Amino acid sequence: DAGITQSPRHKVTETGTPVTLRCHQTENHRYMYWYRQDPGHGLRLIHYSYGVKDTDKGEVSDGYSVSRSKTEDFLLTLESATSSQTSVYFCATETNQGGTEAFFGQGTRLTVV
Amino acid sequence: TQLLEQSPQFLSIQEGENLTVYCNSSSVFSSLQWYRQEPGESPVLLVTVVTGGEVKKLKRLTFQFGDARKDSSLHITAAQPGDTGLYLCAGAGGSQGNLIFGKGTKLSVKP
Repeated sequence: DAGITQSPRHKVTETGTPVTLRCHQTENHRYMYWYRQDPGHGLRLIHYSYGVKDTDKGEVSDGYSVSRSKTEDFLLTLESATSSQTSVYFCATETNQGGTEAFFGQGTRLTVV
Repeated sequence: TQLLEQSPQFLSIQEGENLTVYCNSSSVFSSLQWYRQEPGESPVLLVTVVTGGEVKKLKRLTFQFGDARKDSSLHITAAQPGDTGLYLCAGAGGSQGNLIFGKGTKLSVKP
């Protein structure tokens, strides 16, 4: 299995607080992604990275920012959490962009109260 | 915007039945992947199809990529309770270079 770990696995936070989720990989994959998964919506791309310090927005990027200072770490930050950001967040990596297997982390269940 | 429509959204069947899940789009994809996600777990790749018309078999699962590379199907023969899960199709070649995921088909196989 690809070495992708997400932390924390579960988090409950209050509306208006900043939250950072971490994705760490040991596979040296170039591409990293943050998705959120909600019932009825499937997996939606938040942000992605195609290299160190190279990131771009996805389909649902409003309210989120990312940073990638090292190949192995991709951070997702909710600047000011809202209840609509309650979701399960998955990090994924690929060796090449699209068309190759995406390896997923275990997911982070975030609840904003 | 590229979209992948999966149908049906939900499917509940008895053990031993056959079923087919569909993944359709108006866009052409360079390849298409199928993932299975068990409850509380992350998606895991089942197969990648690349060539139009391609058929791949994985034990009781048969995957087909449409000739025009716009659609795909997953057929399960003699479903078992262990097949229960969310089946996601994903197309390669999104506008941001990423995989585009369908919303999934939630399959429940009852003993």
